Amino acid sequence: DTGVSQDPRHKITKRGQNVTFRCDPISEHNRLYWYRQTLGQGPEFLTYFQNEAQLEKSRLLSDRFSAERPKGSFSTLEIQRTEQGDSAMYLCASSTGGGPDTEAFFGQGTRLTVV
Amino acid sequence: GDSVTQMEGPVTLSEEAFLTINCTYTATGYPSLFWYVQYPGEGLQLLLKATKADDKGSNKGFEATYRKETTSFHLEKGSVQVSDSAVYFCALSFPFSGSARQLTFGSGTQLTVLP
Repeated sequence: DTGVSQDPRHKITKRGQNVTFRCDPISEHNRLYWYRQTLGQGPEFLTYFQNEAQLEKSRLLSDRFSAERPKGSFSTLEIQRTEQGDSAMYLCASSTGGGPDTEAFFGQGTRLTVV
Repeated sequence: GDSVTQMEGPVTLSEEAFLTINCTYTATGYPSLFWYVQYPGEGLQLLLKATKADDKGSNKGFEATYRKETTSFHLEKGSVQVSDSAVYFCALSFPFSGSARQLTFGSGTQLTVLP
């Protein structure tokens, strides 16, 4: 296993279009997270899955955003009717358990540019 | 809500200089504390962590001590190398409350080490 994989690495889209990103976590990890990182800022939590269940969503996740993890393995994040403010790096992370020593492993991210 | 405040960058040092990157947090309770590093073109990687007061996390010559009385987790290295050039993020999470246990990040500090 080579770690958390995200696809695509870069996406340029026109305003109003829909985009979908994919995340493949480390295979034995049951927890999966999506974060958004804008320029000059730290990552901000968007949503969390434990296996296939989406258990928490941030206020940042507007109704144009939807995330799925249908079989408890890979996850997708879709943004509908993209806006320029959606331009950011979208990061996926995975982990096992949730105790104090749990390490979250991050993918390299998908950089979205909305023009 | 919970927050992390980091020393603003960018920070530029000469090789073998001493490094300190300040990090303070605001949280209700006793979070776990982390430093993540992002090298150019790569994903976030855990550098070190501490899960309770007075714990010292260390890795690759970097150290940080969990100071409950000052709510701080400053990152230090005695002698930096050019290869340490990266963006450093301080973060916290609450492993024992809620289900998501997501990370809350600071805004990051860009470090450049010159030969």
